[in-house]
Amino acid sequence: DGGITQSPKYLFRKEGQNVTLSCEQNLNHDAMYWYRQDPGQGLRLIYYSQIVNDFQKGDIAEGYSVSREKKESFPLTVTSAQKNPTAFYLCASSIRGQLDGTEAFFGQGTRLTVV
Amino acid sequence: GESVGLHLPTLSVQEGDNSIINCAYSNSASDYFIWYKQESGKGPQFIIDIRSNMDKRQGQRVTVLLNKTVKHLSLQIAATQPGDSAVYFCAENRADSSYKLIFGSGTRLLVRP
Repeated sequence: DGGITQSPKYLFRKEGQNVTLSCEQNLNHDAMYWYRQDPGQGLRLIYYSQIVNDFQKGDIAEGYSVSREKKESFPLTVTSAQKNPTAFYLCASSIRGQLDGTEAFFGQGTRLTVV
Repeated sequence: GESVGLHLPTLSVQEGDNSIINCAYSNSASDYFIWYKQESGKGPQFIIDIRSNMDKRQGQRVTVLLNKTVKHLSLQIAATQPGDSAVYFCAENRADSSYKLIFGSGTRLLVRP
């Protein structure tokens, strides 16, 4: 089945460690996104990528890094520079090129907890 | 500044009643809007969308209304069911902003049995 897969579902990190969250899609979508969601709040954009080997910072990119070496993969690394990384992380993808906008398809999320 | 926001953080309705969830946006250049439903611990699911050249669009039990004059968007759910309990987000997408989705803060819908 086509879709977006995030792994792991739950992740625990010690302070000072870097961790990488996986996001894979087989929808042949060009654009991929990473969002952060804190309890009781909306989604905030961390990074997005419109095409392979290209990505742009979103609203809260500090302390995060990404890569887009393959169309289907957009991993997010939460670095030790991110001071408050505990949150629910959501990956999404969308078709690029539609002038009237498009819907985004979301993965099921990764809940990251710093211990 | 640019923003997409919601008037009510929590909405409680009786099962079988209609629900109306509201959203305000501030950028008149917005040309595409999407409503998402998010259940606890899951990713958002697409519900319905509407383009700026429309003022109403209907789906199965859901209707989205767009009022560009006052920059207001609403989601109407007919005959609300317990399975409709979730957080609902409106999102804004502009073709001139690199296809970036901008989300509101969300409204929690609680359906009373």
